[in-house]
Order: sequence, then C-alpha cells, then structure tokens
Amino acid sequence: EAGVAQSPRYKIIEKRQSVAFWCNPISGHATLYWYQQILGQGPKLLIQFQNNGVVDDSQLPKDRFSAERLKGVDSTLKIQPAKLEDSAVYLCASSLVLAGGHRDFNEQFFGPGTRLTVL
Amino acid sequence: GNSVTQMEGPVTLSEEAFLTINCTYTATGYPSLFWYVQYPGEGLQLLLKATKADDKGSNKGFEATYRKETTSFHLEKGSVQVSDSAVYFCALSLSGNTGKLIFGQGTTLQVKP
Repeated sequence: EAGVAQSPRYKIIEKRQSVAFWCNPISGHATLYWYQQILGQGPKLLIQFQNNGVVDDSQLPKDRFSAERLKGVDSTLKIQPAKLEDSAVYLCASSLVLAGGHRDFNEQFFGPGTRLTVL
Repeated sequence: GNSVTQMEGPVTLSEEAFLTINCTYTATGYPSLFWYVQYPGEGLQLLLKATKADDKGSNKGFEATYRKETTSFHLEKGSVQVSDSAVYFCALSLSGNTGKLIFGQGTTLQVKP
C-alpha cells in the first residue's frame, strides 16, 4: 500500500515570495492534516480536512497561509508571502476517519515532509 | 492549555543500554497518549499508544505506561540497538476531539556500537 506522498521534498525561496506544497494521502483516507514542524520543536497542526471540508484551522495564519482539498483527495498548502519564520518542515498526514471518541483513535500516517527554507 | 513536555536531548547511549525518555502532559479530560518515532530521512511513524489510565503500550521492545496520577507516559526499552537511533516524539489526543495530535518537542536518541 502506498504511503502519504508529498512534493517537493525541499524548497528554498526568498522572503515575500510564494510557495505551494502538495500532498496525496493514502487511498481511501477521509481525513487529512497539515502540520508545521519548526527545527527543534514538535509538529503543530495547521489545518485538518474531513473529505473536502475544513474541521480545524484555528492555528493557520490565514493572512498568508491557505489550503484546499479539492474533491476530497489531494491537498495543497500555500504560503503567500513567505516570511523568514516560515522556515520549517511541512508534514502531511492522513487517517481513515475522524477520531470522535476517547478510544476511537484512527492512526495518522505521515508523509516524508517538505523542508522549506526562507532566505 | 493542553501540552506535552519531553526530556531534553540528545540522549547518547551504548548498544544494549537501558533507555528511558521522560514525557509528562497537561490536558483537560482524558487524553490518549502516543509515542511517534522519526528515523533519519523518513516520516513520523506511530510507535505505540495507550488510550486510558494504567494501559501499557508496547511495540518493538519499547514500552510506555499511561500514569494518570503523575500525568506521565515515559518511554522505556531494556536494550537499545544502533538501529533505534532516531527522534522520539510524545503526543496526546484529547477525547472527543477531532483527532488533532499535540506533540512534545522531540528527543534525539543516538546509540553507539
């Protein structure tokens, strides 16, 4: 079974430029997550989709970040314009269904990430 | 707020040594607890989990017990191998939540032959 695919793996841009990341989740997975992992820190959720609807985007800096999941499959995350502090690894993860209860956990499968460097 | 705190790294051990990586959490309600591992050049993988107090998660020789009284979920392994060298993340997910994971900052483990 293919895992979560992400591209590109690496990206270097200058501040104020725009950039986009792509994620293809595991086939059949309804829930898709984008996390930001700054060097030396744990991943932090940016946005979560259930099919093509947004479940949680409370920590997404909406003035510069946007994300979409058309047709409930692939997703793109965009930053425009980028700032120096956006340098991080952007992780995409997917799971079968939404975890809704105490023991109803559906494992999240992570992609390899995209490492963004903003100069 | 809800958070996870891990011991500072890096942790450097010799092969066959005993490993403990401390993890404590702050959460409302009754979270599920996880350990994820990130091997060099690879994505995060779930290592083990526990969904209620006193549960013990185990996998690949690693163990962690959900201790509600001390709000802890320490990772242990009796005999580490060079291949265990990786970054380990403790995380929680809140009951009734969307499944969002809240991660600690990660602990780097380096095992020397």
